[in-house]
Amino acid sequence: GAGVSQSPSNKVTEKGKDVELRCDPISGHTALYWYRQRLGQGLEFLIYFQGNSAPDKSGLPSDRFSAERTGESVSTLTIQRTQQEDSAVYLCASSARLAREQYFGPGTRLTVT
Amino acid sequence: TQLLEQSPQFLSIQEGENLTVYCNSSSVFSSLQWYRQEPGEGPVLLVTVVTGGEVKKLKRLTFQFGDARKDSSLHITAAQPGDTGLYLCAGLPLGSGNTGKLIFGQGTTLQVKP
Repeated sequence: GAGVSQSPSNKVTEKGKDVELRCDPISGHTALYWYRQRLGQGLEFLIYFQGNSAPDKSGLPSDRFSAERTGESVSTLTIQRTQQEDSAVYLCASSARLAREQYFGPGTRLTVT
Repeated sequence: TQLLEQSPQFLSIQEGENLTVYCNSSSVFSSLQWYRQEPGEGPVLLVTVVTGGEVKKLKRLTFQFGDARKDSSLHITAAQPGDTGLYLCAGLPLGSGNTGKLIFGQGTTLQVKP
């Protein structure tokens, strides 16, 4: 079946502009996660959605970052007034309820010039 | 702050050699996972270990969870060029319930030369 998809795959933006990244999770997966990965590094947790519960935003690095999810489907991560340090790969993952295994999308590579 | 220290960060070996990657923490985890990531792709889950002392084998890969569930290791026997990639350990902290909020190590970049 279809895996997690993300768009765009690459995004180059100028410092100060806003960007919106999209994630389509695996159908039926109630949990959705956003992570940030700097070059050659591990993953940094950003935000977590589980069903209709309030999202866990504890990993968002600043108030320039926000995310939304429509029900148990698509999610968008928005970064306002982008800075050069926001340059990274943004990964989305989904998992079935109560499951440990997370399935990752290919990521969006964001470059802020 | 719960951290997972992964070592080594970079490993370059010849085909046929053995290697071990370590993942250590002072915190206890209810489970620990190992992922492999190739350039331009998201991480792919290799294994999940949940019981202290547990050993799992996946072909030439052997995964071990420490008795105290604070550390784990990945051993690759007779490495192949196809094993090249970024290996990530990720732990689910004890008490985090079913949130699935994983703590990731920094990763080990493995290069296997033919």
